[in-house]
Amino acid sequence: DVKVTQSSRYLVKRTGEKVFLECVQDMDHENMFWYRQDPGLGLRLIYFSYDVKMKEKGDIPEGYSVSREKKERFSLILESASTNQTSMYLCASKEGNTEAFFGQGTRLTVV
Amino acid sequence: AQSVTQLDSQVPVFEEAPVELRCNYSSSVSVYLFWYVQYPNQGLQLLLKYLSGSTLVESINGFEAEFNKSQTSFHLRKPSVHISDTAEYFCAVLTQGGSEKLVFGKGTKLTVNP
Repeated sequence: DVKVTQSSRYLVKRTGEKVFLECVQDMDHENMFWYRQDPGLGLRLIYFSYDVKMKEKGDIPEGYSVSREKKERFSLILESASTNQTSMYLCASKEGNTEAFFGQGTRLTVV
Repeated sequence: AQSVTQLDSQVPVFEEAPVELRCNYSSSVSVYLFWYVQYPNQGLQLLLKYLSGSTLVESINGFEAEFNKSQTSFHLRKPSVHISDTAEYFCAVLTQGGSEKLVFGKGTKLTVNP
């Protein structure tokens, strides 16, 4: 089975902190994604990576950056956390024309 | 660009009643379609998918969905729901030959009451 692992289930950070959310997949997938999930808004794509060191902005990239130094790992970085970035963050990976596999999610609270 | 509309944000039903969660999509090219389920404080799990072949697809826990190209719909149905089906359900679309990105609807919260 494909496994996508997010490093933390719950995080509490202070406004202005630099925050790293880590995601690792074990199926050698080319494509990895970071989504943000908010009530009533569904899943919104923050960033997408289709290869090592390659990335593409999603629908809401402002305030975020990403890093993909190795194929299995895709990191989401909040350069200076703000309260409006309090949310559930979901990482996913996929290969080809089929479904994406999701991690368990990280619920981030910025205080 | 493609988009997905889930017409109902919340659907309350009683246990053992039938349910239909509606999903319509917009795309200028052919698509693949997916339903995901999310239980509280968890990630998304694939429930079923349409890639090709029969337009009626089924999951192992009794859900089914039918791809209707003329109506650009992929509605999810179950003839008799259980309390354990309480969850949020997301419809998603992937364009054939296009971007690798899945586009999601805003979700439907299904609540099954005793």
